[in-house]
Amino acid sequence: ETGVTQSPTHLIKTRGQQVTLRCSSQSGHNTVSWYQQALGQGPQFIFQYYREEENGRGNFPPRFSGLQFPNYSSELNVNALELDDSALYLCASSWDRAGANVLTFGAGSRLTVL
Amino acid sequence: QQQVKQSPQSLIVQKGGISIINCAYENTAFDYFPWYQQFPGKGPALLIAIRPDVSEKKEGRFTISFNKSAKQFSLHIMDSQPGDSATYFCAASKTLYMRFGAGTRLTVKP
Repeated sequence: ETGVTQSPTHLIKTRGQQVTLRCSSQSGHNTVSWYQQALGQGPQFIFQYYREEENGRGNFPPRFSGLQFPNYSSELNVNALELDDSALYLCASSWDRAGANVLTFGAGSRLTVL
Repeated sequence: QQQVKQSPQSLIVQKGGISIINCAYENTAFDYFPWYQQFPGKGPALLIAIRPDVSEKKEGRFTISFNKSAKQFSLHIMDSQPGDSATYFCAASKTLYMRFGAGTRLTVKP
């Protein structure tokens, strides 16, 4: 049973650029959630995808967008990068959209915006 | 809007001692309270979780104590070991997503 894998592990962008982060969910999981973890803080919910549709969204602007593919993998896209977007972006998968129970997290993609 | 407040921010404990981390929540609709452990360079991993119909749950050296009336819950790590040194996050959820505390950096000294 494979866990959640994310790519890339690290990346550096400049203000105004766009970034795409990728996530492969754990085998058997159909729901993917994305979280942003700023340095020294707890993860903050960005959005969740279930069956290729956005199932809920946290307090993040529209320049944060995502996709989920038929194999349940997912992408997080951030446009017009700002310095405050520098963070660890975590993908978490679960087997049921109805609850946030038993999230399995990936190791994250660390984004630095200069 | 911080829905889950965690303390202390950092904690240093001697090997063999008891580590205690506390959390308080605001929303009485929350029905699932997990604790996550995060090592540097890794994502959070579920350690132990409790539902509000139970006041205590124990798994090995880790115990959650839950006080529904006070809207508080805590993690106790008995016989703390240097390998327990990590950042611990409490969280709470109802549906859809997890609300996390700010984290506690635990250092267990040998």
